[in-house]
Amino acid sequence: SAVISQKPSRDICQRGTSLTIQCQVDSQVTMMFWYRQQPGQSLTLIATANQGSEATYESGFVIDKFPISRPNLTFSTLTVSNMSPEDSSIYLCSVGPRGQNYGYTFGSGTRLTVV
Amino acid sequence: DAKTTQPPSMDCAEGRAANLPCNHSTISGNEYVYWYRQIHSQGPQYIIHGLKNNETNEMASLIITEDRKSSTLILPHATLRDTAVYYCIVRPHNNAGNMLTFGGGTRLMVKP
Repeated sequence: SAVISQKPSRDICQRGTSLTIQCQVDSQVTMMFWYRQQPGQSLTLIATANQGSEATYESGFVIDKFPISRPNLTFSTLTVSNMSPEDSSIYLCSVGPRGQNYGYTFGSGTRLTVV
Repeated sequence: DAKTTQPPSMDCAEGRAANLPCNHSTISGNEYVYWYRQIHSQGPQYIIHGLKNNETNEMASLIITEDRKSSTLILPHATLRDTAVYYCIVRPHNNAGNMLTFGGGTRLMVKP
């Protein structure tokens, strides 16, 4: 399966500021996915990021709040903008399977606390 | 993707088999059953998947009922490191362009 390096692993940020999360994949992938996991909750998809086009956002998520870059086939960033305490969550990136016998691979997550 | 129903939590004694059920009564013919788990402070990890036949790999076994409306993930000899949230997901077979939709999962606590 793919190997994803996600950073930072955690951060504590002041409200009103922005944080950019990076995900690097060890191989080229067409699509990358960004998820949010609020405390004690399951994962919710934020957006799907294609290389060379704008990301596709799920209901309830907007580009101004969560801008995504996808400059090449191995890298993507998610920015959490103008943060408030409600943005405190774990943010994860993911890529699809490489073969028939593998599932999706996830980064280790970024634990964000907004104070 | 079809909806799944899992118990919110289960306990299992260390060394015993952990049997995690999942109901997916609206599964359609082209949808597979996937299992992932999320250990605390980590991203979800793929475990196993199947269509209609029982499957086994080095991590677990997957038993799917004949009508495919439910399945059971079996960890044959649970260890403390198997404590995690287990997610059952049904969807068409691996399509790297489609995201995964997570339900609530089952929080498995393996106790000494």
